Amino acid sequence: DTGVSQDPRHKITKRGQNVTFRCDPISEHNRLYWYRQTLGQGPEFLTYFQNEAQLEKSRLLSDRFSAERPKGSFSTLEIQRTEQGDSAMYLCASSPGTGSSGNTIYFGEGSWLTVV
Amino acid sequence: AQKITQTQPGMFVQEKEAVTLDCTYDTSDPSYGLFWYKQPSSGEMIFLIYQGSYDQQNATEGRYSLNFQKARKSANLVISASQLGDSAMYFCAMRRPSGGYNKLIFGAGTRLAVHP
Repeated sequence: DTGVSQDPRHKITKRGQNVTFRCDPISEHNRLYWYRQTLGQGPEFLTYFQNEAQLEKSRLLSDRFSAERPKGSFSTLEIQRTEQGDSAMYLCASSPGTGSSGNTIYFGEGSWLTVV
Repeated sequence: AQKITQTQPGMFVQEKEAVTLDCTYDTSDPSYGLFWYKQPSSGEMIFLIYQGSYDQQNATEGRYSLNFQKARKSANLVISASQLGDSAMYFCAMRRPSGGYNKLIFGAGTRLAVHP
C-alpha cells in the first residue's frame, strides 16, 4: 500500500502522559500536513511542512504540541502533558508540490487519541 | 474570514437514486479550490473531487459531480446511482491560497445513509 500511513491507529493514555504519533506520507510528496478532528466536526488544520521546513503552525497548536519532519520524509507529532481536551483524531495528509495533482491532498486513516 | 457551511447534518437516499449534498462557502479571494472528501467509519478521509475557482467546467469523477455555482458561492456534490457503500460522512473543504500550498478549511460534514 503506497498511501499515507499513520501509527498508532489508536492510543489510550492517562492525563499528563506524553504521546507521539508518526506519519509516513506518500513517497516523494514534499508537502505534509497535520489536522485534528473532534467528534461531530470537520478536521482543523494544525501545521504544514514543505520538505523538512515547518512553514505554518495553527494557534490550535499549543506549546505542548510539537511536530517534526527531520529529513523531509516521515513526520512525528508529540503531545506533552496530555489533557482530556486533547482527545481527538489526528490526521496526517500529504500532497505533491507541483502539477495538476498538486491540488489533491491525500489523508491517512488517522490516529485516535483518548485521554483518560 | 473564510468559511464552509454544510447545512444538512444528515441525508437519506434510496439505493440507486441520486443525492445532492449542499455546500456553500465564503471567501474574498479570487483564486481558491473546493474539495469533497468521504469519511467512512474507519476514519480515513477519501478524496472524491476537486473544483478550481477558474475552472470553466463542473468537475466530474465517475459517479461524483460537483455543481459549481460561483455567483452563489455554492459547490454541491451530486452522487448518482447511490450504493450502500456510499454511506459515510461527507466533508466539503476549501483551499485557502497561501503560498500555493493546500491548507484546507472544512465544513461540519453531512452524514449520508443509503437504504436498500
